[in-house]
Order: sequence, then structure tokens, then C-alpha cells
Amino acid sequence: EAQVTQNPRYLITVTGKKLTVTCSQNMNHEYMSWYRQDPGLGLRQIYYSMNVEVTDKGDVPEGYKVSRKEKRNFPLILESPSPNQTSLYFCASSFGAGGSPLHFGNGTRLTVT
Amino acid sequence: AQRVTQPEKLLSVFKGAPVELKCNYSYSGSPELFWYVQYSRQRLQLLLRHISRESIKGFTADLNKGETSFHLKKPFAQEEDSAMYYCALSPAGGYQKVTFGTGTKLQVIP
Repeated sequence: EAQVTQNPRYLITVTGKKLTVTCSQNMNHEYMSWYRQDPGLGLRQIYYSMNVEVTDKGDVPEGYKVSRKEKRNFPLILESPSPNQTSLYFCASSFGAGGSPLHFGNGTRLTVT
Repeated sequence: AQRVTQPEKLLSVFKGAPVELKCNYSYSGSPELFWYVQYSRQRLQLLLRHISRESIKGFTADLNKGETSFHLKKPFAQEEDSAMYYCALSPAGGYQKVTFGTGTKLQVIP
């Protein structure tokens, strides 16, 4: 089944403890991206990647890192999480060509205390 | 800079009534516009995109470049349409930066 898989679905951590949220797609998509969803703010793009080893900042990249060493994987790294990063995170992928729809993962609900 | 505005946070309509979810955008080039839907406890999924000019689940959306709008419409609302709807924009020719609106929650009252 074609899908985008995120792990974990729920994560509770403490301020400053490094964490990684994984994202994997099995559709051979070139484009992958991360979003955070907050009430009243909708979805905001954190980082995106056009292909392996090609990444760029979205609208809210501060406090996040990404890497794209393989086409299928695009992990989101929080080196030193803070409470303002408590949010619902979505990974998405697409073929990247104009008009290609985004395929979303199920989301990761992160709480930083 | 590109921007997407969805002015209504919540839209409540009765079953069988027409629905119009508003979306306005700001972008200097040629945009690709989409509507995504998120049903309760589910992932976001594509509803429709302007380049395909199709009707999905009875919904349609027309790109009006003069008014820079991409409103989502359905003539008769169904209870199963209750969900969160997001309008999104990306530059034509690629997904370099996708901008979403803040979303509109559609509530269909039985």
C-alpha cells in the first residue's frame, strides 16, 4: 500500500532532550516536507526537500533540523526541544512536479514539558 | 511572498443547504491551488486541485485570477462533509514552498 509513515504517533518529552521523528514513504517521491499544525494557525511548513541531499527552509525552521540521505526517508530532528514546539507534526511527500498532490502521514503529536 | 487566506474559522450549515468555503490568495506568479480535507482523527488528504477541474464528492472550485480566489462549493451539504478544510498554494512547476491557509471547520447540522 502506498503510504507515508511517521513514527512515533505520540511523544512526550522534556525540554532540551534531543528527539527525532521519522518519516518514510514508499512511493519513490522526490519531494518531502514537514509541517506543524497549531490551532488558529493552520499548517506551517518547517522544511522541505526536493531530492536526496537537497533541503531548504520553510516558514518556521527555527529549532528544527532535517536530513535527506535516502530518497524514502526524511527525519525531523529537534536538537533541544522547547515547550513552544509542542504541536502536531505532519510529514508529506509528492512527485514534486507542478500540480502533484501531497500525500500526508498520520501525524505525530509532540508534547514538550 | 505567497499568502493564503481563509476568512472563516467555522462554517455551520444545515444538511441539504449550499456550502461555500472561501479562499483568497496572494502570489505574484502562476499559482497551483488545492483544497485538502481532514476528517476527524484522519490524515489530510487531497480533495481537489484547480488544474484538473474535476468534481470530487460533489465539491467544485474555480480559480478566479481576477479576484485571486479559489472558493470551494457544494450545492447540497451532507453530514459526512463535516471536516476541516484547508486551501493551499504552491508555485506552478514545483513544490518549492507550499503555503496553507488557516483552515475552515465545516459543520453540517442534521
